Amino acid sequence: EAQVTQNPRYLITVTGKKLTVTCSQNMNHEYMSWYRQDPGLGLRQIYYSMNVEVTDKGDVPEGYKVSRKEKRNFPLILESPSPNQTSLYFCASSFSTRVNEQFFGPGTRLTVL
Amino acid sequence: AQSVAQPEDQVNVAEGNPLTVKCTYSVSGNPYLFWYVQYPNRGLQFLLKYITGDNLVKGSYGFEAEFNKSQTSFHLKKPSALVSDSALYFCAVRDSNSGYALNFGKGTSLLVTP
Repeated sequence: EAQVTQNPRYLITVTGKKLTVTCSQNMNHEYMSWYRQDPGLGLRQIYYSMNVEVTDKGDVPEGYKVSRKEKRNFPLILESPSPNQTSLYFCASSFSTRVNEQFFGPGTRLTVL
Repeated sequence: AQSVAQPEDQVNVAEGNPLTVKCTYSVSGNPYLFWYVQYPNRGLQFLLKYITGDNLVKGSYGFEAEFNKSQTSFHLKKPSALVSDSALYFCAVRDSNSGYALNFGKGTSLLVTP
């Protein structure tokens, strides 16, 4: 089954404790992206990647890191999480043209205390 | 810079009635427009897109959207709403003149009552 998977689905952590949210897709997509969803703000793009070793900032990259060492994986790293990073995070992927729709993962709900 | 606006936080419709969820956009080049739906506790699902050509685009679950260049709008429509259509709807845009960033609207909550 074609899908985007994220782990963990739920995470409660404390301020400053480094964490990684994994994202993997099995559709051989070049483009991958991370979003955060907050009430009243919709989805905001954090980072995206056009292909292996190619990443770029979205609208809200501060406090986040990403890497794209393999085509199928695009982990999101929070080196020193803060409470304002409490949010619902989505990973998405697509083929790498501007006209392609994205496939979304199920989401990761992160709480930073 | 590209942007998209969904002017209504919530739309309420009775089952069987037509529904419209509004979206307007701003781009410097040509717009690539998308609609997604999010059911509770789920990720976003693609509904339809406009790239070029016919201004009326048909998508999944009986939804359609009308692209209007002069009004810079891309409203989502359905002739007869179902209770199961109740969900959060997002409009998104890419600009042909910019990179690959995708901008989403804030979302519109659709409530269809029996």
